[in-house]
Formats: sequence, structure tokens, C-alpha cells
Amino acid sequence: EADIYQTPRYLVIGTGKKITLECSQTMGHDKMYWYQQDPGMELHLIHYSYGVNSTEKGDLSSESTVSRIRTEHFPLTLESARPSHTSQYLCASSELEGANSPLHFGNGTRLTVT
Amino acid sequence: GENVEQHPSTLSVQEGDSAVIKCTYSDSASNYFPWYKQELGKGPQLIIDIRSNVGEKKDQRIAVTLNKTAKHFSLHITETQPEDSAVYFCAARGGSYIPTFGRGTSLIVHP
Repeated sequence: EADIYQTPRYLVIGTGKKITLECSQTMGHDKMYWYQQDPGMELHLIHYSYGVNSTEKGDLSSESTVSRIRTEHFPLTLESARPSHTSQYLCASSELEGANSPLHFGNGTRLTVT
Repeated sequence: GENVEQHPSTLSVQEGDSAVIKCTYSDSASNYFPWYKQELGKGPQLIIDIRSNVGEKKDQRIAVTLNKTAKHFSLHITETQPEDSAVYFCAARGGSYIPTFGRGTSLIVHP
């Protein structure tokens, strides 16, 4: 069982609010990821990190930002939420290298912006 | 970059039947192919994976096959059960260590 936690599970907020989605893992994994999952199921990579002080943008353009000050923590922030940000956000982690290094996912945060 | 195509997007079977989901990839450098199962309200979880030096791998009712020449790999589920109903994702990973996911297959197993 993977030990990666996301909070909150559900969040409903008004337009213009600043929010932070939390993600923590206890496996000591160097790599961490944020995915946005649309209702059509597809996973879109929005941010990833190779380790402390490393952050990269993913394939899908996003107005969110991330930080990686500690290995175990990879929060995602939206400075001013909009209805278009309504989605499911999934955090994941994996070992930096290794022949078989699958992603371990959290259970997600479902964000609704009204 | 890598491109992964997954088919079908929806698969409906009767309990006890077999289910097959197929994926193709474009980058010949890809060498690791995991499959994930996502149940309602949860994140995707790894169910089986295969590396490029192996042609087939089996774990109880699930199996994965890989054809490197044709750049395609498939997930096979035998004797399907209602609890197999979920969304399944294939992925391919190469030198960048960033996996590319297929678009997902919604499997429905009717009792």
C-alpha cells in the first residue's frame, strides 16, 4: 500500500480565492508529480519535481504553481481560482531511477470553483 | 516526445468473459510499460508492469504482452468479475523517466 496523502479530498470555493492543495508521501521518493484529470478520464501532467528545489512544468499549461522545499511535501497553489480550474487533481511519486519505478498515486482532491 | 494510443475507450463484457485492452507507443526508446487500475473515488494503482526485455508477464487473472517490433502492448483479463469494473490506463516510459499515459479504458463487467 502506497503512502501518499492528499488533502483536502473535496474542496468547494468561490472565484478569486487562493487555495493550496496538499500532497505528502512517506516513501522517501525523489520524484513527485501533479496530474489534472478531466471528466473524460484522461490524465494531464501539470507539474513534476526531480527532488528538493526542483520543479518543472508538465505538458498541460496550468496557472497553478508548485514548490518542493522538503522531499516529502509537494503542494500545489492556485493564486486566484476560476471555474475553469474545476477538476480532479492527483498527486503521485516515484523513485528517481530504477528499472521498475511505477507511480504511486494519492486519492486525489476534487476541486469545484463556483 | 512519446505518444501512447489506447483502445477501446469503453469495454463492456459479461462476468466470466475475457477483456483485452490494447496500447501502441511511438518512442522506440521506451522500455517500461505499467498498467494502472483506477476505481471510483481513488487514484490509479499499479496492477502489472513489463519491461522491454520481456515479451509476456502474468499475475493470476491478468497478463500483459509486449511486441517491441510493432510497438504495442496489451492487457488481458480472464474470467472477469464485477470488481474488475474500473478505468484502466496503460503507460510507456523511456529515457526521460516521465511516463506517458494512454487516455484510459472504462471496463464494465456485467454480473
